[in-house]
Amino acid sequence: DAKTTQPPSMDCAEGRAANLPCNHSTISGNEYVYWYRQIHSQGPQYIIHGLKNNETNEMASLIITEDRKSSTLILPHATLRDTAVYYCIVMNTGNQFYFGTGTSLTVIP
Amino acid sequence: DAGVIQSPRHEVTEMGQEVTLRCKPISGHNSLFWYRQTMMRGLELLIYFNNNVPIDDSGMPEDRFSAKMPNASFSTLKIQPSEPRDSAVYFCASSLNGNTQYFGPGTRLTVL
Repeated sequence: DAKTTQPPSMDCAEGRAANLPCNHSTISGNEYVYWYRQIHSQGPQYIIHGLKNNETNEMASLIITEDRKSSTLILPHATLRDTAVYYCIVMNTGNQFYFGTGTSLTVIP
Repeated sequence: DAGVIQSPRHEVTEMGQEVTLRCKPISGHNSLFWYRQTMMRGLELLIYFNNNVPIDDSGMPEDRFSAKMPNASFSTLKIQPSEPRDSAVYFCASSLNGNTQYFGPGTRLTVL
């Protein structure tokens, strides 16, 4: 499975949009992009996933570039409870997840 | 749905003792994964099952670790004998046909 590159940390002001980037330049055509987050001491929480098209759910939006080599997770109105480590993962259906080091997002009051 | 259930939530034991961690996957899910998380190594996949059959155990650290899935609703991860370096948070996750994984709350293991 393709590996991902994420910035180690980011800050975001409360109420503003948080845009978390991820590079996955070696992604292959049938690999999905998944996003999870982990709030301190809790299990990873599923956020969203996509293949080619942009996706939106009640938690976030996922923007995937046309060449699929990068993506951005958008939290539209960040709250203090969104402070967490965010993991970008690419995976074939049925294969294992590889969790990298993720991005530690801090939402600042 | 109750989600993935793990027990115990915390375990403190002494070196050399046997430790058994338990997991109940989400009903209807047919894939189950065991992960370990430490500060040094992050989240690592230890083993995963598909339809109760172990598919890949290459992440299991050594023979002291073993995992079983006797039926679709229960799995165990056993460490015998335990060592201080096994101290970590152990997560169980389940999915339907290897798609989106849903994680349990984890078991925090401390080996003294």
